Amino acid sequence: SYVLTQPPSVSVAPGQTARITCGGNNIGSKSVHWYQQKPGQAPVLVVYDDSDRPSGIPERFSGSNSGNTATLTISRVEAGDEADYYCQVWDSSSDPLVFGGGTKLTVL
Amino acid sequence: EVQLVESGGGLVQPGGSLRLSCAASGFTFSSYEMNWVRQAPGKGLEWVSYISSSGSTIYYADSVKGRFTISRDNAKNSLYLQMNSLRAEDTAVYYCARDSRYDSPFDVWGQGTTVTVSS
Repeated sequence: SYVLTQPPSVSVAPGQTARITCGGNNIGSKSVHWYQQKPGQAPVLVVYDDSDRPSGIPERFSGSNSGNTATLTISRVEAGDEADYYCQVWDSSSDPLVFGGGTKLTVL
Repeated sequence: EVQLVESGGGLVQPGGSLRLSCAASGFTFSSYEMNWVRQAPGKGLEWVSYISSSGSTIYYADSVKGRFTISRDNAKNSLYLQMNSLRAEDTAVYYCARDSRYDSPFDVWGQGTTVTVSS
């Protein structure tokens, strides 16, 4: 089955830029979606189709996808951005939908 | 307001059964594909099952295939997950989530219902 690999943790100071990667074989050929999950809450979609933002999501959240790596970029990080972030793709192999293992973003 | 509300979670013994429900409101339920996603304590998200808008296409994760059954009742705006032969590793918060087409994101999630499998 298709595997998505995320770093377990990323730390960044307030006001700086956080980059969270999602690795997968030829992931650049797929549409990648990103979710933010805060403790005790359901996930929230923050970026879809590689780089589009749902309404209500700040422009500070952006995404890119090429080759074997997709990246979620959070500019001017705020304390409220501290959360777990998950990438997700659909795949035509065994399990049709796959999540990455998640990345815990810590704001120092 | 677009909303998904799960119910039916609880404590069940290993080998037991449980049926989860997800009530949809605020949108045309029959136009959307639906999914179940779970999260074990302290772990990441795991997709469990998918059902097309009409119910004609269904997929399961290998981890639940043969034990779980997804279904929907578009007249009642409801999604279901029948879980049989439950194991300790099925302990998790179960979320229902909607999507609009293959390759689309999960744009609406429920708040989750907790399933605990333990003797």
